[in-house]
Amino acid sequence: EVQLVESGGGLVQPGGSLRLSCAASGFTFSSYWMSWVRQAPGKGLEWVANIKQDGSEKYYVDSVKGRFTISRDNAKNSLYLQMNSLRAEDTAVYYCARVPITMVQGVITNWFDPWGQGTLVTVSS
Amino acid sequence: SSELTQDPAVSVALGQTVRITCQGDSLRSYYASWYQQKPGQAPVLVIYGKNNRPSGIPDRFSGSSSGNTASLTITGAQAEDEADYYCNSRDSSGNHDYVFGTGTKVTVL
Repeated sequence: EVQLVESGGGLVQPGGSLRLSCAASGFTFSSYWMSWVRQAPGKGLEWVANIKQDGSEKYYVDSVKGRFTISRDNAKNSLYLQMNSLRAEDTAVYYCARVPITMVQGVITNWFDPWGQGTLVTVSS
Repeated sequence: SSELTQDPAVSVALGQTVRITCQGDSLRSYYASWYQQKPGQAPVLVIYGKNNRPSGIPDRFSGSSSGNTASLTITGAQAEDEADYYCNSRDSSGNHDYVFGTGTKVTVL
């Protein structure tokens, strides 16, 4: 069974740091792009970051650039998100997701599947 | 960065058809994918690519696209389809940035 399990969430003060982990199982982790997506309480989904299969390319939403770092350890089938200089607006449930990418009729096509159950990060004093 | 706009809410009578739309410039270049999210649960992929359903997704869910608009259609809506639905596509910049739509709350009457 393909599965993603996040951990590491919790309560942190503004300006603090937190490291999220995502353990993958049931598929060849090193063959896929991976992503972090977050959802603030009562709000919609927001893509946060992507990482290529070998970790050589990383992309971030503008609001976290310079503060968050996505990384992976293919030997441990694990994805990480190091979050520094946390702000109240970073409060959200953070999901990790696998990102299959293929070409369909000349068009690059990607999707997020599966998703983990999410881990809650609360930034508050 | 790109934006994807969805109607905030739609309602549909049990057994009827509802179409959810997603508008954005990036959809002229990339296919949308669609996600269903029920309260307190993680999102679930329902449509990806041109019109593909993952295993386990009922065939009453279908997708289409024209110009800058992608659509998710539920034909014969069931009570269990009541949920939030989000579209997603790659950012029009061409990088591996992604953007989610604003979300549509579907109520089944």
